[in-house]
Amino acid sequence: DQQVKQNSPSLSVQEGRISILNCDYTNSMFDYFLWYKKYPAEGPTFLISISSIKDKNEDGRFTVFLNKSAKHLSLHIVPSQPGDSAVYFCAGGSQGNLIFGKGTKLSVKP
Amino acid sequence: NAGVTQTPKFQVLKTGQSMTLQCAQDMNHEYMSWYRQDPGMGLRLIHYSVGAGITDQGEVPNGYNVSRSTTEDFPLRLLSAAPSQTSVYFCASRRGGLSYNEQFFGPGTRLTVL
Repeated sequence: DQQVKQNSPSLSVQEGRISILNCDYTNSMFDYFLWYKKYPAEGPTFLISISSIKDKNEDGRFTVFLNKSAKHLSLHIVPSQPGDSAVYFCAGGSQGNLIFGKGTKLSVKP
Repeated sequence: NAGVTQTPKFQVLKTGQSMTLQCAQDMNHEYMSWYRQDPGMGLRLIHYSVGAGITDQGEVPNGYNVSRSTTEDFPLRLLSAAPSQTSVYFCASRRGGLSYNEQFFGPGTRLTVL
């Protein structure tokens, strides 16, 4: 049973526009949610997080929204840049461990 | 700081062979973990350790052993490699407690089992 679901394997966006990556979860015990970014042949790097008691967190061009009633979170990137092209993983944290989604490959076209 | 280092970067094994994937961190992190990434499967937790001498199983532990004799090192052992263990393996570390934000990943080891 997938506890964290990223239903869109890929997303293509024009440079300068908004990228919206979505994530759904089933585990009500998650106390933290995180987004990681991964380039080919590299390890994932932390991007932004949100506590389960918040509904929004911003960091520069990146904003994460959490809707607990819908068990849904989203990552907004504004404006999108070609360097944002990567695979983005959503993860839920519970009891110190992370459960990752399958990832969404974002392509930002110049 | 070198961060999290992993060796080797690439490895090809034959079915039944054993090997150890090395992971080291120089950040004095208490928590270390191993993940595997398969196409279309995201990252799945294999084993983790909350401190030296303490290890526990993650989501997919079968076929793998770990030990944590020092804070710095967390090797992953494949006792008898199988083709199903062909994957990219990532080691990660962070401070203890629930400091999820500060989990740092190594560059990965790409393992192929023939």
